[in-house]
Amino acid sequence: EPEVTQTPSHQVTQMGQEVILRCVPISNHLYFYWYRQILGQKVEFLVSFYNNEISEKSEIFDDQFSVERPDGSNFTLKIRSTKLEDSAMYFCASSETGGNNQPQHFGDGTRLSIL
Amino acid sequence: SQQGEEDPQALSIQEGENATMNCSYKTSINNLQWYRQNSGRGLVHLILIRSNEREKHSGRLRVTLDTSKKSSSLLITASRAADTASYFCATDDPTSYGKLTFGQGTILTVHP
Repeated sequence: EPEVTQTPSHQVTQMGQEVILRCVPISNHLYFYWYRQILGQKVEFLVSFYNNEISEKSEIFDDQFSVERPDGSNFTLKIRSTKLEDSAMYFCASSETGGNNQPQHFGDGTRLSIL
Repeated sequence: SQQGEEDPQALSIQEGENATMNCSYKTSINNLQWYRQNSGRGLVHLILIRSNEREKHSGRLRVTLDTSKKSSSLLITASRAADTASYFCATDDPTSYGKLTFGQGTILTVHP
């Protein structure tokens, strides 16, 4: 069964450094998402992306965050200047079509640790 | 206010028993979904129930939705040790386009 793949599985970065988290969504999917899960807390929506544009973003997704689909397969999340509070699991998800009433398929996540 | 709150927070049962998890939410929805997360892994979609549906089945899973009470339940019948995981409900936002709001989750432990 097709899967969403994320790399790296674990990223350790010094505070203030830039980090790029990578995702390969399922190939025929058109909508892409990033979520994060701080240890012990809920999974939180960050951003949705369709047709090379951000569809929606949460208040967490401030100017330090950006997303890009640099080619036909990858979908990236960049954090420009990381803070300690950015430490979390970051999950990429994709869905075949957008909107509601669609299951989202998640990758196994990238654990981001900011030192 | 919190959207998508599950209870219990933790549930421990023996293999073969049924497990019931509940989810409450506060705002209107188009659908509610249940996901499973094994330790250290991503979320796996289990089942989606639309707001005009009351009950849905998938294998050993049974989901109910009561929009008047803004609540849902997930029943896993004849549980197995492999069902040990965290289970989350997730609600959509009718004003958005795909954004999911997750609950805190129920940690289910099934003892062999």
